[in-house]
Amino acid sequence: QSVLTQPPSVSAAPGQKVTISCSEGSSQIGNNYVSWYQQLPGTAPKLLMYENNKRPSGIPDRFSGSKSGSSATLGITGLQTGDEADYYCGTWDNSLNIWVFGGGTKLTVL
Amino acid sequence: QGQLVQSGADVKKPGASVTISCKAFGYTFTVYQIHWVRQAPGQGLEWLGIIDPGGNTVSYAQNFQGRVTMTRDTSTSTVYMELSSLTSEDTAVYYCAKHSYVYNAMDVWGQGTTVTVSS
Repeated sequence: QSVLTQPPSVSAAPGQKVTISCSEGSSQIGNNYVSWYQQLPGTAPKLLMYENNKRPSGIPDRFSGSKSGSSATLGITGLQTGDEADYYCGTWDNSLNIWVFGGGTKLTVL
Repeated sequence: QGQLVQSGADVKKPGASVTISCKAFGYTFTVYQIHWVRQAPGQGLEWLGIIDPGGNTVSYAQNFQGRVTMTRDTSTSTVYMELSSLTSEDTAVYYCAKHSYVYNAMDVWGQGTTVTVSS
C-alpha cells in the first residue's frame, strides 16, 4: 500500500520556524489535494490544513501549507510549546481509490 | 460541521471479531462519506476504508480486504466497522472521520475507540 514519506521528527526552539515535508512515491500528491492533521498527545487528529494551503476556521496563520510537484510542505512559524504534536499529511490516491497518510512527524519545541 | 461519537473501548480474544459504531450528529448523514482510520500504540495513522452512507458503497484498504466490513443505518445516522479474525496486531485506537467535500479532507473526527486484542 502506498505511503507518503515524512521525516520522523523535527525540532526547533520556541519562536522559531519549522517545516515538515511530505513526498509521494507515485502519483498521489501530484494529482490531488494534500491535507495536514495535527495530533496532540492522547487526542484524535485534527484538520490543520486542506487543499494544500488553506486553513480551516480557527487555525492561526502561523500555520501554512504549500505544494510543488510531488511534494507538499507544512510550515509553522512562531513555534509554541503547545505546537508539540504529531503531524500527518494525507491525500486520496485516484489510481488505487484509497486514502493514504504519511508516516507522521513528531514536532518537538525545545 | 457536526460531531461523531464512537462506541466505547473493547477487549477481544484472538480470532474474534469487533464491531465499532460511529454516530453522526449535526449534519445530513447521507451526504458525507465516513472514513475509518486506526492507530496502533506508538504508531502512525492507518486507513482502513470508507463508506458512503447515502449510496451505501464502500472501498476498503487492500490490507484489510476480506476482514473488514463497513455498514450504515440511516435511521440512526450510524456507521459500523466490523473487523474479524483479530490478532494482537489489531490492538489500536480506531477512529471514524467525516470526509468534507468542501475541504477535500477529513474535517470531523470521532473521539476514538480503543480495541485491545489479548488472550
